[in-house]
Amino acid sequence: EVSLVESGGGLVKPGGSLTLSCVVSTSEFRFSDVWMNWVRQAPGKGLEWLGLIRSKGSGGTIDYAAPVKGRFTISRDDSRNTVFLHMSSLKTEDTAIYFCAAPTQWELRFYFDLWGLGTLLTVSS
Amino acid sequence: EIVLTQSPATLSLSPGERATLSCGASQSVNNNKLAWYQQRPGLAPRLLIYDTSIRATGIPDRFSASGSGTKFTLTISKLEPEDFAVYYCQHYDTSLFTFGPGTKVDIK
Repeated sequence: EVSLVESGGGLVKPGGSLTLSCVVSTSEFRFSDVWMNWVRQAPGKGLEWLGLIRSKGSGGTIDYAAPVKGRFTISRDDSRNTVFLHMSSLKTEDTAIYFCAAPTQWELRFYFDLWGLGTLLTVSS
Repeated sequence: EIVLTQSPATLSLSPGERATLSCGASQSVNNNKLAWYQQRPGLAPRLLIYDTSIRATGIPDRFSASGSGTKFTLTISKLEPEDFAVYYCQHYDTSLFTFGPGTKVDIK
């Protein structure tokens, strides 16, 4: 059984900051081997990939989508099976459900076959 | 950066009918790294197809996909009630992931 559980969403004022967490529970693979992603979905809109943090074995490198580069930071704590998304200078257009997503096996590393339920961030004054 | 488009935006069909969804890429997809996801209301997306045409684990064989270059297709041979949902294509290239805008398959 595998699960991803996001937390930390809520109401934030424009210009504010917030950190989301995603805890992975699994006995099927080692969290430290998994490339972790964040994807968001604005209300009634499509999916938008935000960024990826690779495993330490893959260099631990991080990539971001252009719209959030410089404002969002992804990190991971392999000892806690957790990935974080720190968001700053938040804008109303950042209002969305934020999902963490991951591939469960190496051949799926360019896709997302495991998803959390998401956590809602609302940016509003 | 490759931009994905999807057509039609909405597809209205009846259960039992065949659905054909299209995904177009602004440049040729040379690495075949294209996937399809299904998202039902209120749920997270589910991976259906990866590497253009490989069904993910547990996906029924009524779902099939093909394509190359800039044109890709997802086919649902006979729509079941649970197939009425939004479908997204997704591509990976050069450290970037992109999603198409989605096609909604709704009940006619």
